[in-house]
Amino acid sequence: DTEVTQTPKHLVMGMTNKKSLKCEQHMGHRAMYWYKQKAKKPPELMFVYSYEKLSINESVPSRFSPECPNSSLLNLHLHALQPEDSALYLCASSPGQERNYGYTFGSGTRLTVV
Amino acid sequence: AQRVTQPEKLLSVFKGAPVELKCNYSYSGSPELFWYVQYSRQRLQLLLRHISRESIKGFTADLNKGETSFHLKKPFAQEEDSAMYYCALHNTGKLIFGQGTTLQVKP
Repeated sequence: DTEVTQTPKHLVMGMTNKKSLKCEQHMGHRAMYWYKQKAKKPPELMFVYSYEKLSINESVPSRFSPECPNSSLLNLHLHALQPEDSALYLCASSPGQERNYGYTFGSGTRLTVV
Repeated sequence: AQRVTQPEKLLSVFKGAPVELKCNYSYSGSPELFWYVQYSRQRLQLLLRHISRESIKGFTADLNKGETSFHLKKPFAQEEDSAMYYCALHNTGKLIFGQGTTLQVKP
C-alpha cells in the first residue's frame, strides 16, 4: 500500500459543529503532516507529527486539534470553525521528519463551513 | 528567513516547445529542494528531488547555489504536462512551498 487515505472526501459543517478528519497510511512512515490549501494557493503547513508526537504546530488556532493515535493514523478534530476555515485539508506522510525523502500526499478533505 | 519564490503564476507554451519553470530560494545552509506537481483533480505528487539528480517524465532540475535557483526544465513540452507545479524547500522538519506556477501546454 503506497497511498495516504483521507476521509471524508467532502465535509460541510456548521460553525457550532464538532467533526473530525481522518488520515491513514500503511507505508511505515514515521512522520505525518496536516496542510491547509486554499483555492489557487500553495499548501500551508499546520502540524507535524514525528513518531506519534506533535513536533511542530504552526501557530494554528485551537479550534483545530490534531491527534495521532498510532503510527498509521492521524486525525484533525474541528470545533467552532469559521467560514474562512473552508479549504482543502491535506494529509501527508514521509519516512522521517529529519531528512525529506519526499512526501506522499492524500487527496484531501474539502471542508466547507457554513 | 527561508523562502521559495516562483515568479510566474502562469506559463503558457505550445506543444513541443521547451519549458523552464523558475524557482528561487533564500536559505542559509544546504537546501533540500523539490518539485511537486498537481494535475487537475489529482493529488499533489512528488516530481523531483534535487538530491537524486534524476529525470522524471523528461523533466530535470539543477540546483544552482550561486544563483540560489532550482529551475525545472523540459526540452519538449507535452499537453499532458499541463498542471500546477510547486517548488518546495525542506528545512528543520518542514516543507515550505512556493506560490506555484500553472503550466499550460497548448496543442
